[in-house]
This record gives sequence, structure tokens and C-alpha cells, in this order.
Amino acid sequence: EAQVTQNPRYLITVTGKKLTVTCSQNMNHEYMSWYRQDPGLGLRQIYYSMNVEVTDKGDVPEGYKVSRKEKRNFPLILESPSPNQTSLYFCASSPGRGNQPQHFGDGTRLSIL
Amino acid sequence: QQPVQSPQAVILREGEDAVINCSSSKALYSVHWYRQKHGEAPVFLMILLKGGEQKGHEKISASFNEKKQQSSLYLTASQLSYSGTYFCGTGKASDMRFGAGTRLTVKP
Repeated sequence: EAQVTQNPRYLITVTGKKLTVTCSQNMNHEYMSWYRQDPGLGLRQIYYSMNVEVTDKGDVPEGYKVSRKEKRNFPLILESPSPNQTSLYFCASSPGRGNQPQHFGDGTRLSIL
Repeated sequence: QQPVQSPQAVILREGEDAVINCSSSKALYSVHWYRQKHGEAPVFLMILLKGGEQKGHEKISASFNEKKQQSSLYLTASQLSYSGTYFCGTGKASDMRFGAGTRLTVKP
């Protein structure tokens, strides 16, 4: 089954404790991205990757890191999480450039205390 | 820049129609529409490309007017399953901007 898989689905942690949210897709998609969703703000792009070893900042990259060492995986790293990063996070993938639909993972709800 | 959606929320009875609008201050070449049910991931509905072509998905259709820099989503004879938050997205995947969403509630 074609899917985007995120882990964990839920996480409660404390300020400053490094965490990684994994994202994996099995559709051989070139493009992957991370979004955060906050009430009233919709989806905002954090980082995106056009292919292996190619990443770039989205609209709200501060406090986040990403890597794309393999085509299928695109982890999101919070080196020193803070309460303002409490949010619902989605990973998405699409076949490539241009106007292709994005396939979203089920989301990861992070709470930083 | 984020596109602007209107209305922010709408409540319908089953069988009623609704229109959701999405407008941008920048030139539009394409518009994506997604629906997100509560607690779930956004799901792709359709893409509209420059040229004003209308698309359809079930009884949901959309139009795209690049001159007015806006798109409209039309939900006809709404069903309970149409409830959710609808998002428009503008730009390419690498720099897509989503609207804040329109929450649609369909009641029996």
C-alpha cells in the first residue's frame, strides 16, 4: 500500500531534550516536505527536499533541522525543543516538481513542556 | 504569502450547497484543494491549472480564475461525509502556501 509513515504519532517531552520525528515513504517520490499545523494558521512549511542531499528552508525553519540521506526517508530533528514548537506535524511527499498532489502522513502531535 | 480562504466556517444541512473561496495576492498558476477530517491527514481532492478548467470529484467541483487570482470549490448536495476542513494550496510543491482552512460541518 502506498503510504507516508510518521513516527511517533504522539510525543510529550520536555524543553531542551533532542527529538527526532521520522518520515518514510514507499512511493519512490522525489519530493518530501514537513509542515506544522496550528489552529487558525493552516499548514506552514518547515523544510522541503527536492531529492537526496537537497534540502531547503520553508516558511518556518527556525529551531528545526532535516536530512535526506536516502530517497525514502526525511527525518525532522528538534535539537533543543521549546514550548512554541508544540504543534501537529505532517510529512508529505509527491512525485516531483510542478503540479503533483502531495501525499500526507497521519501526523505527529508534539507537546513540549 | 498565504492565500486567503473564505468563509472560515460554514454549517450546512444534508443536501445543501456550499462555496469555498481561495484568493491570492500573487499570480496563480495552479491551485490545489485538500480536505482534512478531524484527527486525520489532509487528503488530496484536485488540482486546477492555469486556463480556468473546472475539475470534479464526486459532487465537488472547482473553478480557477487566474485573472482574478482566485479559485472556488463548489460542494453540491452535500453529504455528511463532506464534513471536514478544506484547504487550498497555491504554488508548486517546493513553495506551496496553504490557506488557513474552511471548516465545513454538514448536519443531518
